[in-house]
Amino acid sequence: NAGVTQTPKFRILKIGQSMTLQCTQDMNHNYMYWYRQDPGMGLKLIYYSVGAGITDKGEVPNGYNVSRSTTEDFPLRLELAAPSQTSVYFCASSGGSLYGYTFGSGTRLTVV
Amino acid sequence: QQQVKQSPQSLIVQKGGISIINCAYENTAFDYFPWYQQFPGKGPALLIAIRPDVSEKKEGRFTISFNKSAKQFSLHIMDSQPGDSATYFCAANYGQNFVFGPGTRLSVLP
Repeated sequence: NAGVTQTPKFRILKIGQSMTLQCTQDMNHNYMYWYRQDPGMGLKLIYYSVGAGITDKGEVPNGYNVSRSTTEDFPLRLELAAPSQTSVYFCASSGGSLYGYTFGSGTRLTVV
Repeated sequence: QQQVKQSPQSLIVQKGGISIINCAYENTAFDYFPWYQQFPGKGPALLIAIRPDVSEKKEGRFTISFNKSAKQFSLHIMDSQPGDSATYFCAANYGQNFVFGPGTRLSVLP
């Protein structure tokens, strides 16, 4: 099993550019999440989804958008990139709130 | 209310020693408390988890101690090894989501 796959692993964006971070899971999990991790700040929830067609905002959603057209895929869209979005982004999936998360390996994004 | 506090921020332990990381929470609605281990350049991985109806759970060298009345839980790593050097996150669930502590960077010296 591949688990949770994130692409790309690294990306440098210029201020104002846009990009999509891809996330795919093959565990048939209903729940999927996007977190950002800043040094010494732990993990902050950006958006989450409890199933195909259903998404909701987390703690830090501003500047991001998501969609969930299938159970497997949960892309994160950055519009008008800003230096404050420089971070490591993790996608995760779960079979339910009492089962913990499976995380992807992350995307390191730098906005210059 | 949706916050989990974690300490210490960093920890240095000699090989063979015991590493202890502590977490505290406020929301009594939390009902699942996992610990995650993260190596540099990797995503966090579920290490061990506990539910509030038990006071202790042990898996190999890793033990969670849970004090429901104090709203605290801790991770103990016995016989710590250099390969345990990583960042450890405690977490707690609310609804369908988890809230994470800020992390503890553990260094085990050979």
